[in-house]
Amino acid sequence: DAMVIQNPRYQVTQFGKPVTLSCSQTLNHNVMYWYQQKSSQAPKLLFHYYDKDFNNEADTPDNFQSRRPNTSFCFLDIRSPGLGDAAMYLCATSREAAENQPQHFGDGTRLSIL
Amino acid sequence: GEDVEQSLFLSVREGDSSVINCTYTDSSSTYLYWYKQEPGAGLQLLTYIFSNMDMKQDQRLTVLLNKKDKHLSLRIADTQTGDSAIYFCAERDDYKLSFGAGTTVTVRA
Repeated sequence: DAMVIQNPRYQVTQFGKPVTLSCSQTLNHNVMYWYQQKSSQAPKLLFHYYDKDFNNEADTPDNFQSRRPNTSFCFLDIRSPGLGDAAMYLCATSREAAENQPQHFGDGTRLSIL
Repeated sequence: GEDVEQSLFLSVREGDSSVINCTYTDSSSTYLYWYKQEPGAGLQLLTYIFSNMDMKQDQRLTVLLNKKDKHLSLRIADTQTGDSAIYFCAERDDYKLSFGAGTTVTVRA
């Protein structure tokens, strides 16, 4: 089945040690999103790519970066993780950015910080 | 999402109907979405409704939209144990989904 795949499902890193989360899609969608979801909270959009164009949300910390080397892959880099960055990170895709194009989510990567 | 509000918990008996309510504030939202999240998993798209509709039915799911009151509801008929999850409503503004805090639905035997 065409899917949004996130690896790994669980990631543990040390305080301050850079970490990269990955997302791939077989849907050939133009738009890829990264969300942060802390425990018992709603997902919060960090940024998205429309094709190669990167769009950062105004309140996304500088500690978070992203790369999209091709249509299929998108990476979330956390440069110096703090304890407050422990969360579920969700990747999503949509064919277009228009409102009638649903976003399809992966199963997420749960990040723990030691 | 501070602009989307949902009740936090719902307990329902197996076989009964569940109704999850949501209010939103952005009157310019043209599409409203419902997602389901099971423990430890991502968000599964359930259904969505265009704002010029007042009802949409998809198998056991019925969405009702009252645009005047900015009220959205999701009805699950014949609720099963597999329906236990967190349900998020979300309003869409351009590329951005703004989610409510989620309603935890617990199905009891």
